[in-house]
Amino acid sequence: EAGVAQSPRYKIIEKRQSVAFWCNPISGHATLYWYQQILGQGPKLLIQFQNNGVVDDSQLPKDRFSAERLKGVDSTLKIQPAKLEDSAVYLCASSLGGSRTNTEAFFGQGTRLTVV
Amino acid sequence: KNQVEQSPQSLIILEGKNCTLQCNYTVSPFSNLRWYKQDTGRGPVSLTIMTFSENTKSNGRYTATLDADTKQSSLHITASQLSDSASYICVGTLKSPQLLHEKLTFGTGTRLTIIP
Repeated sequence: EAGVAQSPRYKIIEKRQSVAFWCNPISGHATLYWYQQILGQGPKLLIQFQNNGVVDDSQLPKDRFSAERLKGVDSTLKIQPAKLEDSAVYLCASSLGGSRTNTEAFFGQGTRLTVV
Repeated sequence: KNQVEQSPQSLIILEGKNCTLQCNYTVSPFSNLRWYKQDTGRGPVSLTIMTFSENTKSNGRYTATLDADTKQSSLHITASQLSDSASYICVGTLKSPQLLHEKLTFGTGTRLTIIP
């Protein structure tokens, strides 16, 4: 079974530039998560999709961050414009989700973003 | 407020020794408690998922315990190996009847280093 795919693995940009990350979840997984993980901290949820609908984006800085999940499969996360404090690893995860409980969440390798 | 606290923040032990990591959670309404292993530069990988009716669950040399009354969990690693060096993250999951999805709350992790 293929895992969660993310690209790129690394990205370095200057502040005020824009950047986009891509995620391909495990086939058949209804729930897709984007997390931000700052060095030395646990992942923080940015946005959670169920199929192509948003179920939680309460911690997404909507003035600069946006995300979409086309056709309930792949997803992109965009930052525009980037700030120095956005330097972090951006993790995508997926799970069977839906109304099921106790479903395992599988994570991708993450995209390490450095804003200079 | 939903939160997960882990201790210790970091731990160094000799190869072959055992260790126990602690987690206190305040997550309501509680659905399950998860432990993840995160190697440096990689995404978290699930070790165990436990519901409130499960006191203990093993995955090889990893054994997790759950006390739903005191809202505490522990992860015990037996006969540690160099490959156990990683961050171990405790995650509390909530799901209410109003929510059609689970919501994960991550701890900040325990950084474990195994030395030869």
